[in-house]
Amino acid sequence: KAGVTQTPRYLIKTRGQQVTLSCSPISGHRSVSWYQQTPGQGLQFLFEYFSETQRNKGNFPGRFSGRQFSNSRSEMNVSTLELGDSALYLCASSLATASSYNEQFFGPGTRLTVL
Amino acid sequence: AQSVAQPEDQVNVAEGNPLTVKCTYSVSGNPYLFWYVQYPNRGLQFLLKYITGDNLVKGSYGFEAEFNKSQTSFHLKKPSALVSDSALYFCAVRDMGANYGQNFVFGPGTRLSVLP
Repeated sequence: KAGVTQTPRYLIKTRGQQVTLSCSPISGHRSVSWYQQTPGQGLQFLFEYFSETQRNKGNFPGRFSGRQFSNSRSEMNVSTLELGDSALYLCASSLATASSYNEQFFGPGTRLTVL
Repeated sequence: AQSVAQPEDQVNVAEGNPLTVKCTYSVSGNPYLFWYVQYPNRGLQFLLKYITGDNLVKGSYGFEAEFNKSQTSFHLKKPSALVSDSALYFCAVRDMGANYGQNFVFGPGTRLSVLP
């Protein structure tokens, strides 16, 4: 099976712009989670989608949003970019069901640089 | 609330020696526990998990981990380290009894360096 894919791999934006990142999960996985990874804060959970519904949400401002499509592909959007949004954004998919969780499989990440 | 601690930022070990990367957790119920490894410029790779059953869990690349409920620990071990094991290791936990407002919590990571 193909792994989790994320596009683009690298992005450079300027403050105030917005950005959309895309994630295609492993075939058959209905749960998609997003994480922000920075050297100072480590891995921080953004949100999780399951069957097109946001199931969990971390402590990020409303500038960070996401969605999931019927084919389980997911996008996350960051509006009004700030310098502090520079990070590696990781997407993870899993075979989680409506009532259980399983291990997550991560994509290679999108490296976002905000200038 | 659930939390994970990895008390060592860095672990250095000589090639061929046994290695241990420590993890302690806090949950109110029973834990799901996981170990992941991250190589430079890559996403995280799943190594192993504990849900129920035997306290010693075997995973990928010769790694294993021991679940100790009384000490709330889930240390990662390998009998003989390889230089290629050098990477960043993350422990993660989720409370089995948690509602769906909670997700996995990851530790801060431990950088393992295996010296030739």
